[in-house]
Amino acid sequence: KAGVTQTPRYLIKTRGQQVTLSCSPISGHRSVSWYQQTPGQGLQFLFEYFSETQRNKGNFPGRFSGRQFSNSRSEMNVSTLELGDSALYLCASREGQGYQETQYFGPGTRLLVL
Amino acid sequence: AQTVTQSQPEMSVQEAETVTLSCTYDTSESDYYLFWYKQPPSRQMILVIRQEAYKQQNATENRFSVNFQKAAKSFSLKISDSQLGDAAMYFCAYRSRAGGGADGLTFGKGTHLIIQP
Repeated sequence: KAGVTQTPRYLIKTRGQQVTLSCSPISGHRSVSWYQQTPGQGLQFLFEYFSETQRNKGNFPGRFSGRQFSNSRSEMNVSTLELGDSALYLCASREGQGYQETQYFGPGTRLLVL
Repeated sequence: AQTVTQSQPEMSVQEAETVTLSCTYDTSESDYYLFWYKQPPSRQMILVIRQEAYKQQNATENRFSVNFQKAAKSFSLKISDSQLGDAAMYFCAYRSRAGGGADGLTFGKGTHLIIQP
């Protein structure tokens, strides 16, 4: 099976712009989670989608949003970009439940906000 | 809210030796999962090992094993016979069992493991 794919891999934007990142989970996986990774804050949970429904959202402002499509592909959107949004954004798709669960991470999208 | 603390920003070990990475966590829950993830320089996070809180037996995966001390809220990772390919950032992570996983993972800040040839 192909792994989790994220596009684009690198992105440069300026303050005030908006950006959309895409994640394609492993075939058959219905759960997709997003994480933000920065040197200062580390890895922080953004949100999780399951069967097109957002099940939870981390402590991020409303500028961060996402959605999931019927084929389980997910997008996240950040509006009105700020310098502090520069980060590696990781997507993970989940297989199994509970103890048997395994989260498979994608390579990430590195966003630089100038 | 749960917190995960990794007190060692960086560790160095000679190839073929054993190294232990520390992790402590804070939670009021009694049922949860703990994980160690590895993030090599290529940036793809990989699951190394996992532990379910109600299982007293420590998990092992080949050269990787954990020392899970529930009362002390400690979850250390031992890597035996260290190999050059083990060089990476290692993250300890917590997930609540409640909510079916919707809460996501809470990660520590990571430990950078260097393997000296």
